[in-house]
Amino acid sequence: EVQLLESGGGLIQPGGSLRLSCVASGFTFSNFAMNWVRQAPGKGLEWVSGVSNSGGKTCYVDSVKGRFTISRDNSKYMLYLQMNSLRAEDTAVYYCAKVGWDPQDIDNWGQGTLVTVSS
Amino acid sequence: DIQMTQSPSSLSASVGDRVTITCRASQGIRNDLAWYQQKPGKAPKRLIYSASNLQSGVPSRFSGSGSGTEFTLTISSLQPEDFATYYCLQHNSDPRTFGQGTKVEIK
Repeated sequence: EVQLLESGGGLIQPGGSLRLSCVASGFTFSNFAMNWVRQAPGKGLEWVSGVSNSGGKTCYVDSVKGRFTISRDNSKYMLYLQMNSLRAEDTAVYYCAKVGWDPQDIDNWGQGTLVTVSS
Repeated sequence: DIQMTQSPSSLSASVGDRVTITCRASQGIRNDLAWYQQKPGKAPKRLIYSASNLQSGVPSRFSGSGSGTEFTLTISSLQPEDFATYYCLQHNSDPRTFGQGTKVEIK
């Protein structure tokens, strides 16, 4: 059974930094791309970032480019999201999400971790 | 970036009703579209992949159709457990994009 468990969320002041982590189990982590998706309170889902299975290719939504960095450690079955220069509008539940092999949509989700950016 | 326009944003329906939700893509995405159901406080759950394929374990009252730019999720006979918010996701190109969501409420 695929399991994804996020951690690292919390309350952070505007301009601060936070690193989210996601530990994966139940599948061969190095075979699959991974994504981060967020959901602001009372709002819809927003795709944030993706990384290829090797970690060699990354992609970001425009609103986080230059501030967020996605990475992975395949030996540890870990996915990360380094978030710098945080803004109030980054407040959201952040979901770790596994990408399927074929099709390459999101086939499994973590339970999410809440990031609150506020002074 | 590909924009996904989902409609309606909300609807009220009764148990047993047939419900249809639409997603339109700003450019052709073949059948690279999935549908998700989300209940309050929970992570989304995949219902449909590749536009029309039912996820294992999902009731057959859910179905998807479409290709190119227009896609539909249909619930043939709404059940109490189907009251939730539904999202489409295009994975044809990065950045991936979700529709705005459709909240299905009890009439």
